[in-house]
Amino acid sequence: EVLMTQSPATLSVSPGERVILSCRASRGVSSNLAWYQQKPGQAPRLLIYDAYTRATGIPGRFSGSGSGTEFTLTISRLQSEDFAVYYCQQYNNWPRTFGQGTKVEIK
Amino acid sequence: QVKLGQSGAEVKKPGASVKVSCQVSGHTLNELSIHWVRQAPGKGLEWMGGFNPEDGGMIYSQKFQGRLTMTEGTSTNTGYMELSSLRSEDTAVYYCTTHIPYRSAWEWVFWGQGTLVSVSS
Repeated sequence: EVLMTQSPATLSVSPGERVILSCRASRGVSSNLAWYQQKPGQAPRLLIYDAYTRATGIPGRFSGSGSGTEFTLTISRLQSEDFAVYYCQQYNNWPRTFGQGTKVEIK
Repeated sequence: QVKLGQSGAEVKKPGASVKVSCQVSGHTLNELSIHWVRQAPGKGLEWMGGFNPEDGGMIYSQKFQGRLTMTEGTSTNTGYMELSSLRSEDTAVYYCTTHIPYRSAWEWVFWGQGTLVSVSS
């Protein structure tokens, strides 16, 4: 299976800062990668699919990039509602696999 | 707009089985591919299985082979996930998820509210 590794595990940031989250696949997944945001007690929310396409209704401050094995999610100016856990997920191979998550917390 | 409504929380003993339902409203099940993802307390997301539109059948994570069965009731517009031989490590919130109809089956935009399954003796 394709192992997805996210870094860092936790990121302490202040509102207004730019945030870059990383996701690495153990082998190439083309651009078949999604990013999800999850807040406590809620279901995940799709942010990005196909590595860089924002899902409907997702603010422009979220952007994705990368292909193959290296991917990033950038939040240009962090807002209070963005403090959450972020997961990457590949859908190029079976089984579908998620990264372990990056928690973005208030500094 | 697709909505997914899941069945309520379950408490099971080790060795038992659990069946969680996911009722689809807003579209018919045959327009969608339903998948199941679980999350153990304080842990990350884990894909379990779902409908594979590439071959028209269910596909499961090998981790659950022999214990997991996913079915769909077209008359009730409901998907089901049944996990047998439960152990304590199966304690988790189980989510169903799906995509926008006629779009990529891998854009999991819609999620159920989650069903907590607790396994304890």
